[in-house]
Amino acid sequence: KQEVTQIPAALSVPEGENLVLNCSFTDSAIYNLQWFRQDPGKGLTSLLLIQSSQREQTSGRLNASLDKSSGRSTLYIAASQPGDSATYLCAVRGSGNTPLVFGKGTRLSVIA
Amino acid sequence: GAVVSQHPSRVICKSGTSVKIECRSLDFQATTMFWYRQFPKKSLMLMATSNEGSKATYEQGVEKDKFLINHASLTLSTLTVTSAHPEDSSFYICSAREGALQQFFGPGTRLTVL
Repeated sequence: KQEVTQIPAALSVPEGENLVLNCSFTDSAIYNLQWFRQDPGKGLTSLLLIQSSQREQTSGRLNASLDKSSGRSTLYIAASQPGDSATYLCAVRGSGNTPLVFGKGTRLSVIA
Repeated sequence: GAVVSQHPSRVICKSGTSVKIECRSLDFQATTMFWYRQFPKKSLMLMATSNEGSKATYEQGVEKDKFLINHASLTLSTLTVTSAHPEDSSFYICSAREGALQQFFGPGTRLTVL
């Protein structure tokens, strides 16, 4: 059964810093991996989706990488802003008609 | 991206009553729908998977007689929490997918059982 782990569980950084969030998964036979953002009491916002054949995806200040063989992904946030404060969730989809399996998230606080 | 809606966004009910949550795919045919539950400061836990026209497949530990899921059409799935109790209070999020394409999420429903 797929298990997704995110480290660290919480992170506090000063505004302007670059930071990396980590995600690991136990079963490398994945279809894709997705990073989401969730604000308190709100739903999910999809940030980046990486197909299993891809190594990375970029959107603005965000860059996500995928190393399927080692079961790892990272989300890099450049020049962090207070508005980036949220919980970041990593989710992995296996092959076939399987659902996304989520990690527990990293709660990010960017201090002005 | 595709749009998934949920209704209601927030519901408060008395213990022992039943609550129905609707999930709709607005611009695509959702051959598969998923229901997740999220407790405060916890991650999303899959409750069940449903394919249109078929019975839902429930995850271990989820009572199928308590959480009734109906996926009668390609655009609508409903989750009914029967005889709700305070411990059922949670954030319920549905998700829909057309075939092998990307999974899209609804905005969630906050259920509070008094």
